[in-house]
Amino acid sequence: DAGVIQSPRHEVTEMGQEVTLRCKPISGHNSLFWYRQTMMRGLELLIYFNNNVPIDDSGMPEDRFSAKMPNASFSTLKIQPSEPRDSAVYFCASSLQESTEAFFGQGTRLTVV
Amino acid sequence: GENVEQHPSTLSVQEGDSAVIKCTYSDSASNYFPWYKQELGKRPQLIIDIRSNVGEKKDQRIAVTLNKTAKHFSLHITETQPEDSAVYFCAASGPGTYKYIFGTGTRLKVLA
Repeated sequence: DAGVIQSPRHEVTEMGQEVTLRCKPISGHNSLFWYRQTMMRGLELLIYFNNNVPIDDSGMPEDRFSAKMPNASFSTLKIQPSEPRDSAVYFCASSLQESTEAFFGQGTRLTVV
Repeated sequence: GENVEQHPSTLSVQEGDSAVIKCTYSDSASNYFPWYKQELGKRPQLIIDIRSNVGEKKDQRIAVTLNKTAKHFSLHITETQPEDSAVYFCAASGPGTYKYIFGTGTRLKVLA
């Protein structure tokens, strides 16, 4: 398996534009996580899905952020409209079951100018 | 909800010395405690984990200890090498939830 795959690896966009980040979890994993990493706040859990259903989105910072998981092999994180303070590295991770290793993707480095 | 605190935020050691990173958690129901290593510009990767029914676990030069009563767990790296330089994150997870709450990270520098 190629592991968790995220795209794009880098994204530079202007303030106010819509940004869509994509993630393909490891096949067979039933949990998917979106994390945001910044120097100031470390690794923050934004939302996680179990069997494609959003379980906890309490970490989503604002209504500008939304996430979907239409099927077991694909998830998106959307920011609309984007702001400079959204600049961060966004990681997607997946795990097979409760209390097991979470495998991280390579991350998407988002820069909003 | 769960809260994980991690100390120190930075740690410098001489090559060959030991390094210890400590974490505390708030939710007594947490039962899974992984440690991740993140090299510069890379993704976090699991290096060792421990479950609440175990007090200590070792894997070559790294070990993790867990004190459930005090709700803290620690990462020990012996005979440190320059390639151990990275950011280390602890995390906690509880039963009935798949989510992992991470500590704020420790930047370890191993000086040659």
